[in-house]
Amino acid sequence: DQQVKQNSPSLSVQEGRISILNCDYTNSMFDYFLWYKKYPAEGPTFLISISSIKDKNEDGRFTVFLNKSAKHLSLHIVPSQPGDSAVYFCAAKGGADGLTFGKGTHLIIQP
Amino acid sequence: DAGITQSPRHKVTETGTPVTLRCHQTENHRYMYWYRQDPGHGLRLIHYSYGVKDTDKGEVSDGYSVSRSKTEDFLLTLESATSSQTSVYFCAISQKRVLADTQYFGPGTRLTVL
Repeated sequence: DQQVKQNSPSLSVQEGRISILNCDYTNSMFDYFLWYKKYPAEGPTFLISISSIKDKNEDGRFTVFLNKSAKHLSLHIVPSQPGDSAVYFCAAKGGADGLTFGKGTHLIIQP
Repeated sequence: DAGITQSPRHKVTETGTPVTLRCHQTENHRYMYWYRQDPGHGLRLIHYSYGVKDTDKGEVSDGYSVSRSKTEDFLLTLESATSSQTSVYFCAISQKRVLADTQYFGPGTRLTVL
């Protein structure tokens, strides 16, 4: 059973606008959440994270929001740039040592 | 960028042959991980290590073994490769702090089993 879900396989956004990527989780033991960005033929690159004691974390153009009651997190990218086109993975950690990943969302930034 | 290298970067092998993938880090991180990425599955944990000679199984460990004789090296072995093990394999490292366990990934190894 999938514990981390990214329900949108792809998302197309115009350059300069806001990109919002969503992620839902089912395991209430998760206490740390991360977003990774991945280009083809490269490893995932860490983008931003949030612990369960916070509800928002910002780093430049990237903001992650966590809604624990809804078991939902989102990544906002403002403004979206062409170099943001990539696959974005949501990941969660809690208990065991590895990360549990969603299946990814392919973000396409249109000029 | 975290100092993580993986070798080989690409490998084609035949069913039934043994294969070893190497992950090397220069960060002196205690924790190391092996994941595989397949279409429609995201990344899934195979095995991980929490110190030299200390390893444990992940979600998809069947058919794989690991070894860690030095802090900097973590080896993944497929004793007898099968076509279902065709995948992209990623190594990751972390320092694992409370509520701040960020994992950093290597560039990946693309393995094809014919």
